[in-house]
Amino acid sequence: DSGVTQTPKHLITATGQRVTLRCSPRSGDLSVYWYQQSLDQGLQFLIQYYNGEERAKGNILERFSAQQFPDLHSELNLSSLELGDSALYFCASTPREGGPGGDTQYFGPGTRLTVL
Amino acid sequence: AQSVAQPEDQVNVAEGNPLTVKCTYSVSGNPYLFWYVQYPNRGLQFLLKYITGDNLVKGSYGFEAEFNKSQTSFHLKKPSALVSDSALYFCAVRDQYNQGGKLIFGQGTELSVKP
Repeated sequence: DSGVTQTPKHLITATGQRVTLRCSPRSGDLSVYWYQQSLDQGLQFLIQYYNGEERAKGNILERFSAQQFPDLHSELNLSSLELGDSALYFCASTPREGGPGGDTQYFGPGTRLTVL
Repeated sequence: AQSVAQPEDQVNVAEGNPLTVKCTYSVSGNPYLFWYVQYPNRGLQFLLKYITGDNLVKGSYGFEAEFNKSQTSFHLKKPSALVSDSALYFCAVRDQYNQGGKLIFGQGTELSVKP
């Protein structure tokens, strides 16, 4: 158990809908990262938040957004869902922003999103 | 640009034999290198990392990895494979100039250990 929690484990929804994925980082970790794992794209970085502020953005679609709340949990919002958004979404956390320390990212169990 | 390559989609090993899962990388600065393992329907579990220092890094479950700067490689090894090692293995990298701490992952290598 990494200490990172994600809810829900599974999500099945229809095209055009909107969903929210939730992540709670390890106790004391200030930085949260979101990744998408799909068969065709592999594991891709989406976005990073540090202590409530957006820090880095990857190949995140405009239909997707995220935020980190004062209690440090994070939510990933996916809207106008398409079939191709079906994937496993992971979050990870580290104590610091990233920096030169090479902090290990500990991953949650993921949320499997199926868009029908 | 940073990138990671895992040249083998699948590696097959007999139980008790040594295993190697290959990884090469490309970064602009000094690399921070990681290996993760993913079991079916599970998240990514951290195995080991190289930040600096000794080129041979030891990690969880008897795994180790060797950092080779001249060959830009970070191959994962284990002296004696177990059937329970069968899983999907990912190599990841970020460099010291990376904004934030995002990881760039390889495409993964499916390790199959047969009894």
